[in-house]
Amino acid sequence: EMQLVESGGGLVQPGRSLRLSCVASGFTFDDYAMHWVRQAPGKGLEWVSSISWNGNTIAYADSVRGRFFISRDNAKNSLYLQMNSLRAEDTALYSCAKARQLIYDGLHVWGQGTMVTVSS
Amino acid sequence: DFQMTQSPSSLSASVGDRVTITCRASQGIFNYLAWYQQKPGNIPKLLIYAASTLQSGVPSRFSGSGSGTDFTLTISSLQPEDAATYYCQRYVSAPATFGGGTKVEIK
Repeated sequence: EMQLVESGGGLVQPGRSLRLSCVASGFTFDDYAMHWVRQAPGKGLEWVSSISWNGNTIAYADSVRGRFFISRDNAKNSLYLQMNSLRAEDTALYSCAKARQLIYDGLHVWGQGTMVTVSS
Repeated sequence: DFQMTQSPSSLSASVGDRVTITCRASQGIFNYLAWYQQKPGNIPKLLIYAASTLQSGVPSRFSGSGSGTDFTLTISSLQPEDAATYYCQRYVSAPATFGGGTKVEIK
């Protein structure tokens, strides 16, 4: 069974940093692109970032570009999101998701998410 | 700009009704569109990709159509378990923007 498990969320003050992790199992991690998607409390889904299977192609939403950095370690079946200069509006449940086949594709496997709360 | 606009934002329908949700892209995206279902407290579930291809395991009462800028998700006969919020997503390129969502309630 394909599975994604996120960790690293928590309460953080504005301006500080946080690093999220996502560990994959049940599929060949280094064959697939991965994405981060967030959902603020009571709000809709917001795509955050994506990374190709080899890390060579990376993209960000305008709202996080220059502050967030996506990376992966295929040897550890792990995806990361380094979040710097956090703002109150970054408060959300952050989920990692696996693309079906292409880097930009339907997201068919999702983790349960890790909650990030930015507040003083 | 890469906006995805869904309508309506919410609807209420009876069991057995035919339900249609629309999604409009601000720029043409060929058929690079996905639909997701999210039930309260749950993670999103991929229903349809490539605008009209049903993801494995998804009931056949769900269907998708469209290309370019205008797309629809249809539930042919609404069931109680279909109460959820539905999202479209463009994925022709980054940003892989989601629509604002359509909340479907059962009367």
